[in-house]
Formats: sequence, C-alpha cells, structure tokens
Amino acid sequence: QVQLQESGPGLVKPSETLSLTCTVSGGSTKSYYWTWIRQSAGLGLQWIGRIHSTRGANYNPYLKSRVTMSVDTSNSQFSLKLNSMTAVDTAVYFCVREGSSGKDAFDIWGQGTMVSVSS
Amino acid sequence: EIVLTQSPGTLSLSPGERATLSCRASQSFSSSYLAWYQQKPGQAPRLLIYAASIRAAGIPDRFSGSGSGTDFTLTISRLEPEDFAVYYCQQYDTSRTFGQGTKVEIK
Repeated sequence: QVQLQESGPGLVKPSETLSLTCTVSGGSTKSYYWTWIRQSAGLGLQWIGRIHSTRGANYNPYLKSRVTMSVDTSNSQFSLKLNSMTAVDTAVYFCVREGSSGKDAFDIWGQGTMVSVSS
Repeated sequence: EIVLTQSPGTLSLSPGERATLSCRASQSFSSSYLAWYQQKPGQAPRLLIYAASIRAAGIPDRFSGSGSGTDFTLTISRLEPEDFAVYYCQQYDTSRTFGQGTKVEIK
C-alpha cells in the first residue's frame, strides 16, 4: 500500500524559501505524477504543481515564478521549493499522487504538514 | 482558470436523510475530469468519485456522482454518522482547481 509522508520546517521567515520533501513508501516514484497541494482558510485547496520523473513539471500559473519541484527516484522522494514566502503562504501542505495518464484524480494523499510564515 | 462554485455552503441533515451537493463550473469541460473528495477535521481529503460518476476503491455505493458540462452533483443516498464532513469538487481538465467546499453537518 502506497503511503506518502511530508517533512520540512513548520516555520519559515518572510522572504525565505520553503523546502518540503515527500517520501513515498510502498511504491516507486518512477511513474505517476507527484503533486503538491496546499490548504488555507483564505485560499481553500490550491494546486501548486506536479512533477513526473520523465515528463517534467507543471506549475500553477499563479505560483509558477516562485516554485521548483524535483523528484529523486533512487530515494523515492519528491520535493517542493517555494521562494519569497509571505504570510499568505501559511497553509497545510499536502503531497499527493495523481494517476499516470496525465489527467487523473488525486488518489493518495499524505497527512499534510502545517507551515507558518512569521518572523 | 475554471472556477468551481459549490452549493450550498452548509447542509444540515439528519442521519438516514439524502444529501444532494452541487458543483457548478465557470466553463464547460469533459465530465471525465471531475472528482469529489471528502475531508474530515485534521485529515487529508479522500477521493470519493472520479470521472464524475465512478466510485474510487472502497467507497460505499450510497455515494454517487452525476452531471456534465458545467453542472455536477454528488448524492449521498442515506447519511451515515461517518458521512458528516466537508466535500469538495475538483476539475482536472485544465490545470487543477477545487470548489470551496460544502459542509454536511448534523441537524
């Protein structure tokens, strides 16, 4: 059974870069699209973007200039970097699996990790 | 961007009653790319329905989805105590966007 687990800092200072990692257990990262989604009271559920080990990355147009995603198939992990953090970026961040077709629902979710932006 | 608007914001019902949740899109898209999720407090969303009407693995048949174009519906035929939660629709045709959610609460 595939499981996802986010890891990273719970607190980030304004203007700094958030770095989160998702570890995939029970399966390989070589297929499927690996996604980051965040949730806050202000923005609701927001898709940040996705990455595939061979097909590259796609990002939310509203966040594209600030986002970088990568995947490490040897360690079954994928990562998110979001720069120029502000209070608006305070949210629960989920790592999520999307099916391999390119247009699929999100079938497996991590438990989420709370990230606060504050000095 | 496809904007999804869910209604009502809150649905107050009793166990055993039928729940009907609506999701309306700002532009038409293929029903193949509409999903519904359930979220309980402190948990991640859980996939219920994909392709507008196909139940995900392990989802009870009291959950059903329908619709096409710009109007989609999630129906829970008879509410069980564990069904009181927030429900989100999501499209995956163009980029990915979610509705703002409908809370199903105990009356």
